[in-house]
Amino acid sequence: EIVLTQSPATLSLSPGERATLSCRASQGVSSYLAWYQQKPGQAPRLLIYDASNRATGIPARFSGSGPGTDFTLTISSLEPEDFAVYYCQQRSNWPPRLTFGGGTKVEIK
Amino acid sequence: QVTLKESGPVLVKPTETLTLTCTVSGFSLSNARMGVSWIRQPPGKALEWLAHIFSNDEKSYSTSLKSRLTISKDTSKSQVVLTMTNMDPVDTATYYCARIGPSGSYFVDYWGQGTLVTVSS
Repeated sequence: EIVLTQSPATLSLSPGERATLSCRASQGVSSYLAWYQQKPGQAPRLLIYDASNRATGIPARFSGSGPGTDFTLTISSLEPEDFAVYYCQQRSNWPPRLTFGGGTKVEIK
Repeated sequence: QVTLKESGPVLVKPTETLTLTCTVSGFSLSNARMGVSWIRQPPGKALEWLAHIFSNDEKSYSTSLKSRLTISKDTSKSQVVLTMTNMDPVDTATYYCARIGPSGSYFVDYWGQGTLVTVSS
């Protein structure tokens, strides 16, 4: 079973700074990787799918890279609304099962 | 407009069976290559995928919970039902239903608001 490890667990940054979040897969997952943002009391929101494609309505400051085993979500310049928890997610080949990473919290420094 | 809404009990007792219903609108459960997943999140913890079902009745379950889960759908009612047997306090969580987008990569493009289920005697 594929395990997704996200690092760091917490990232303390100031508005305007660049955020780099990592998601490492225990084995190759091709480009089947998505990123989600979750704010307190809300459901997650899709940011990136297929490793590097922005979902509808997601600002250009969010970008993703991959594929393989090491994936990165980059927020080029943090806005106040970007402070949240971020999760990566992948699918296994067959049978298709979903796995989420443990999350990275981006907090205001 | 795509929406998903979870319904079910807010409190269940240990050893009881939980039944949750997801009612969808804005898309059909008969749409090819679209599916519905159940995902849960214990308070303060990470997301955990439970199961999914597709229009062709393809089903898949979490390896660790497979023996306790059953997922089914009623296309005419636009509903997906998840049952989880032998509930335990560690199953206390917010349970989300979510749509799997029409892609082979199985990402979730729409989420329900979630429903908090507490397991306690």
